[in-house]
Amino acid sequence: EAQVTQNPRYLITVTGKKLTVTCSQNMNHEYMSWYRQDPGLGLRQIYYSMNVEVTDKGDVPEGYKVSRKEKRNFPLILESPSPNQTSLYFCASSLSPPERNYGYTFGSGTRLTVV
Amino acid sequence: KQEVTQIPAALSVPEGENLVLNCSFTDSAIYNLQWFRQDPGKGLTSLLLIQSSQREQTSGRLNASLDKSSGRSTLYIAASQPGDSATYLCAVPQGTGGFKTIFGAGTRLFVKA
Repeated sequence: EAQVTQNPRYLITVTGKKLTVTCSQNMNHEYMSWYRQDPGLGLRQIYYSMNVEVTDKGDVPEGYKVSRKEKRNFPLILESPSPNQTSLYFCASSLSPPERNYGYTFGSGTRLTVV
Repeated sequence: KQEVTQIPAALSVPEGENLVLNCSFTDSAIYNLQWFRQDPGKGLTSLLLIQSSQREQTSGRLNASLDKSSGRSTLYIAASQPGDSATYLCAVPQGTGGFKTIFGAGTRLFVKA
């Protein structure tokens, strides 16, 4: 089944403890992206990747890192999580750059709580 | 900078009613516009994608239209059912390659049985 898989689905952690949220897609998609969703603020883009080893900042990149060493994987790294990073996180992928009209496939989300 | 607005923020209708959800965008130079459905606490499910050269797309009881000149898209849901209750979001890729995507805040729909 074609899908975007995020892990974990739920995570509670403490301030300052490094964590990684994994994202993997099995559709050979070039483009991948991370979003966070917060009440009243909607979905905001954190980072995106156009292909292997090519990444760029979205609208809210502060406090996050990403890497794209393989086409299928796009992990989101929080080096020193803070409570303001408590949010619902989504990974998405697309066959090619969004301008080419292939649309997005989203993962099921990761609910992160930082205490 | 592109802004995407969805009105209304919430909508409650009786089962069987036809309804229209609205999505407005400020920059008409778009590649495409995509409509999603999101159930509470869940991920986004793609419903329809309209390319900039298209006027509408249909899937089952759903019909999405696009009017670039006026900066508007509508999602028409025919014969609504309680299972249609969810939040509906529209999204517009922007910038070179469309790598950055702007989402509307969504319309929360509740269909009463």
